[in-house]
Amino acid sequence: AQSVTQLGSHVSVSEGALVLLRCNYSSSVPPYLFWYVQYPNQGLQLLLKYTSAATLVKGINGFEAEFKKSETSFHLTKPSAHMSDAAEYFCAVSDRYGQNFVFGPGTRLSVLP
Amino acid sequence: DTEVTQTPKHLVMGMTNKKSLKCEQHMGHRAMYWYKQKAKKPPELMFVYSYEKLSINESVPSRFSPECPNSSLLNLHLHALQPEDSALYLCASSPQTSGNGELFFGEGSRLTVL
Repeated sequence: AQSVTQLGSHVSVSEGALVLLRCNYSSSVPPYLFWYVQYPNQGLQLLLKYTSAATLVKGINGFEAEFKKSETSFHLTKPSAHMSDAAEYFCAVSDRYGQNFVFGPGTRLSVLP
Repeated sequence: DTEVTQTPKHLVMGMTNKKSLKCEQHMGHRAMYWYKQKAKKPPELMFVYSYEKLSINESVPSRFSPECPNSSLLNLHLHALQPEDSALYLCASSPQTSGNGELFFGEGSRLTVL
């Protein structure tokens, strides 16, 4: 069985500050890991994904995440927060077929001026 | 074309109405999904169709009836819903075959049950 935890249901940062959103997973098979972003009243947009290639994954909008097997983590970072980054962020784990896709509970990111 | 298209974007219905949500993808994906999302919560899986056959039903009440007419289309028929069914309904698709497990999501249909 697979599961995802996200530490912190709400994270606030100042504009220009580092963004760090935490994700830890458990999986009985080699995991595929994802970060999705959801802006208010919209669907989910893929930010980035880890599929067993490079452990440092770069995504859209300046975000990146590092897969650390020893820590079972896949934390999301961005060097400098922008007001437009305010949204809900979901970490997810899957097998390669997508049918065991499991979301974390989500972290709401607020960016303060 | 990497889009999943959902219609309508907004739907308001009474508890005695019958309505349908529609989802379409033209990426050749063979798995399609319905998710329900309440405010400030992650999406909850409702149904999975694999090669046009229902493969997963997460104990969803029968007032929700899915249909997969072909590999590109997925419908969710709604009847006698309750106010607590008000939510964002998300459709997703995935290649199903050995891929990277990614789900491609539509923008969702916002349902309000009066």
